[in-house]
Amino acid sequence: EIVLTQSPGTLSLSPGERATLSCRTSQSVSNSYLAWYQQKPGQAPRLLIYGASSRATGVPDRFSGSGSGTDFTLTISRLEPEDFAVYYCQQYGNSPRWTFGQGTKVEIK
Amino acid sequence: EVQLVESGGGLVQPGGSLRLSCVASVFTFSSFEMNWVRQAPGKGLEWVSYISGSGGTISYADSVRGRFTISRDNAKNSLYLQMNSLRAEDTAVYYCARERSGSSRYFFDYWGQGSLVTVSS
Repeated sequence: EIVLTQSPGTLSLSPGERATLSCRTSQSVSNSYLAWYQQKPGQAPRLLIYGASSRATGVPDRFSGSGSGTDFTLTISRLEPEDFAVYYCQQYGNSPRWTFGQGTKVEIK
Repeated sequence: EVQLVESGGGLVQPGGSLRLSCVASVFTFSSFEMNWVRQAPGKGLEWVSYISGSGGTISYADSVRGRFTISRDNAKNSLYLQMNSLRAEDTAVYYCARERSGSSRYFFDYWGQGSLVTVSS
């Protein structure tokens, strides 16, 4: 089973700052299998990035994904007030079929 | 706009059963693989179960295998999760999610609003 480890657990930043979120996998995974989601309190997760670096429809270009192998990154270039939320990475695998990281909370400093 | 609407959650005693439903609209339901994902209070996301478009392929997380059963009725555009032998640790919001997989794309593109299941005496 591939384990996804996200860091940091919490990121305290101010609007306008850059956010860098990490997702490390316990084994090398195909870029195609790595996605990122945003979740706000009381809401379902929202797809942001798929294929490690492709933005989903309607996602602002301040969100970008990068990485390969076992190290993946979600970057928010300039934080807007609506970006303060919890972010999860997700990986498609064999068994189990899907795995999520434990999440990174981006909070207002 | 694609819609997924869950129902069936509630309070149940340990050892009890509950059946969740997810009704889909505005897309050809039978053409899409579907999943259940849960989130315990204050915790992260946990994948629970998968079913192929035809219903012929199914998989489960180890934590629910043997207790939960996923199914679908394509004529009714509906996805189900039968939950038996419920435990306190099954308490969570349960989401249905539409899967996109293949052609170098693997993700969940639409999610329901969630249905809360509370297991407590």
